[in-house]
Amino acid sequence: GEDVEQSLFLSVREGDSSVINCTYTDSSSTYLYWYKQEPGAGLQLLTYIFSNMDMKQDQRLTVLLNKKDKHLSLRIADTQTGDSAIYFCAESIDSSNTGKLIFGQGTTLQVKP
Amino acid sequence: GAGVSQSPSNKVTEKGKDVELRCDPISGHTALYWYRQRLGQGLEFLIYFQGNSAPDKSGLPSDRFSAERTGESVSTLTIQRTQQEDSAVYLCASSLALGGTSGINEQFFGPGTRLTVL
Repeated sequence: GEDVEQSLFLSVREGDSSVINCTYTDSSSTYLYWYKQEPGAGLQLLTYIFSNMDMKQDQRLTVLLNKKDKHLSLRIADTQTGDSAIYFCAESIDSSNTGKLIFGQGTTLQVKP
Repeated sequence: GAGVSQSPSNKVTEKGKDVELRCDPISGHTALYWYRQRLGQGLEFLIYFQGNSAPDKSGLPSDRFSAERTGESVSTLTIQRTQQEDSAVYLCASSLALGGTSGINEQFFGPGTRLTVL
């Protein structure tokens, strides 16, 4: 069945780069997403990548997709304390792209000043 | 504009009781999703509504769980005879769910209902 795996915890110092990794199993995914959950808040879409792309850059965020290895990563440059949150990787498992997603367990990013 | 709202924000109940959780999606969003998030775990898909189509109930963990949605508006998730393992945050999301190559289907999440079963 479908499965999305992430490492559970990452700690970095302010100003460093953070790399959060994710592996998924469904090769028919159309889009892959990164959601951010801040303490006491709901999940918000952070960025996404279409499955026929290898890389997407959006300001401090870089998403890399390796379809062969089914590996997705999120790089945050110049990490700030405000980036401390839980980051969820998600894949759309419905090839008709109707929105059904499978989420990973979430990676807690701790940014130390 | 208003986002997705859920009520109650917190619910404490005794084992064996029934509970009903409510979700108000963003107006105009045809798709609505329910997820469960257990402590320290990821989101577990429960059920998906899209317009007037039959819901995708493939994620419901047991027949104690059911959900309804009236048209493209409010949805209620009902858990009958609650068990301690039902304790979790229940999240609702809605999206335009355009489908196909129309672009991404960004899901907008509500703040969740924290359910505690004693």
